[in-house]
Amino acid sequence: NAGVMQNPRHLVRRRGQEARLRCSPMKGHSHVYWYRQLPEEGLKFMVYLQKENIIDESGMPKERFSAEFPKEGPSILRIQQVVRGDSAAYFCASSPVRVPDTQYFGPGTRLTVL
Amino acid sequence: QQQVKQSPQSLIVQKGGISIINCAYENTAFDYFPWYQQFPGKGPALLIAIRPDVSEKKEGRFTISFNKSAKQFSLHIMDSQPGDSATYFCAASIGGSQGNLIFGKGTKLSVKP
Repeated sequence: NAGVMQNPRHLVRRRGQEARLRCSPMKGHSHVYWYRQLPEEGLKFMVYLQKENIIDESGMPKERFSAEFPKEGPSILRIQQVVRGDSAAYFCASSPVRVPDTQYFGPGTRLTVL
Repeated sequence: QQQVKQSPQSLIVQKGGISIINCAYENTAFDYFPWYQQFPGKGPALLIAIRPDVSEKKEGRFTISFNKSAKQFSLHIMDSQPGDSATYFCAASIGGSQGNLIFGKGTKLSVKP
C-alpha cells in the first residue's frame, strides 16, 4: 500500500510566480490536510479537505493561498505571487474516514522562493 | 489555548539510556495525542498515540505517559539507540470532524554511541 505521495519534492520559484503543490492520499483515505513547516519549527495546520469540499481553512493565509481536492485526481495547494516568506516545507497528510485524526504524512515539498 | 508546549528543545542521551520528552496543553477539548518522528529531509512519521481514557501506552521501546489532571503527556524512549536520533514532535487534536493537529515545536534528539 503506497503511502502519501507529494510532488514535486523540490520547487524553486521566483518572486511573483505561482507555485502548485500536489498530494495524492493513501489508498482508501478521503481526508487530506496541508501543513507548513518553517526551518527549526513545528508544523502549522493550513487546511483540511475532503473530496470536493473544504472542511476547515482556518490556518490558510487570507490572500494568495488556495486549496482544492477534486473528485478525481490529487489535492492541489496553490500559492499565487509567491514571496520569500513562503519558502518552507509543505506537508500533506491523509487519514481514513473513521479516524480523521490519525494522519499519515507525505515526504513534503520544499519550496524555495528566490 | 490552542498551544502545545514541548520541552526540551534539544536532548543528548547516551546509547542505552532513556530519552524523555515532555508536552503540556491547555485545551481540555483535546482528545488525541500522537507523537511523530522526523528525520532530516523527510516527512513526520507517526510513532505512537494515546487517547485520554488511558494513562500509559507502550509500543516496543516507546511509551507515552498521560496525566489528564496536569494536562501533560510525555514520550519515553527506552534503550535509546543512535538510529533514534531525529526530531520528535508531540501533537494534539480535537476529535470528531476537527482532525487538524496542533504541533509542539519539536525536540531534536541525539543519541551518542
